Amino acid sequence: QSALTQPASVSGSPGQSITISCTGTSSDVGDSYYVSWYQHHPGKAPKLMIYDVTKRPSGVSDHFSGSKSGNTASLTISGLQAEDEADYYCCSYTSINTYVFGTGTKVTVL
Amino acid sequence: QVQLEQSGAEVKQPGASVKVSCKASGYTFTRYHMHWVRQAPGQGLEWMGVITPSGDSTRYAPKFQDRIIMTRDASTSTLYMELNSLTSEDTALYYCAKDSGSFSGDYWGQGTLVTVSS
Repeated sequence: QSALTQPASVSGSPGQSITISCTGTSSDVGDSYYVSWYQHHPGKAPKLMIYDVTKRPSGVSDHFSGSKSGNTASLTISGLQAEDEADYYCCSYTSINTYVFGTGTKVTVL
Repeated sequence: QVQLEQSGAEVKQPGASVKVSCKASGYTFTRYHMHWVRQAPGQGLEWMGVITPSGDSTRYAPKFQDRIIMTRDASTSTLYMELNSLTSEDTALYYCAKDSGSFSGDYWGQGTLVTVSS
């Protein structure tokens, strides 16, 4: 069960849009309605940003959005803000009824 | 409000076992699956396992299958995770998380640091 592949880092200026990819296989992302995204500041509790590929929990800003195509899921942050600087992880339910996280992406606001 | 309060930091010797607890409040404990996730120093998040609301079934990540036990106590709304045969690679921050009802963790504990060292 290998970790899903994410870019190690993504950066952007305030107000720009960035997209983080999350590539898996037909046994996880490609076969799952259940892809979620988490914002994580190391040492603190992760925060759920997106679930069920595209849904936002209440309280999460609408400048976060999720999508999926084939074996790749994506998180888009529109109108990047300084407080969006954090690590982001995708997570997928798998065909063997387990979960697998992505490798993580460090988002830097320039 | 939903709170998950985890037990304190642990230091263990290689080969030992550790049992971490996670006390839930603010919601009906017996209605939701619960997960354990860990993060080793400098590494990413790693899913370890999930337990059903009643505690009658668990599902573990293959790499932990033979040395992890997850249990829960409805009378005290507490979740437990026991990891056996510890090595230095098990040094990590361990988190419990409440499942949202849609295969994702919507509330998380503050983390418990487990250090494995001789």
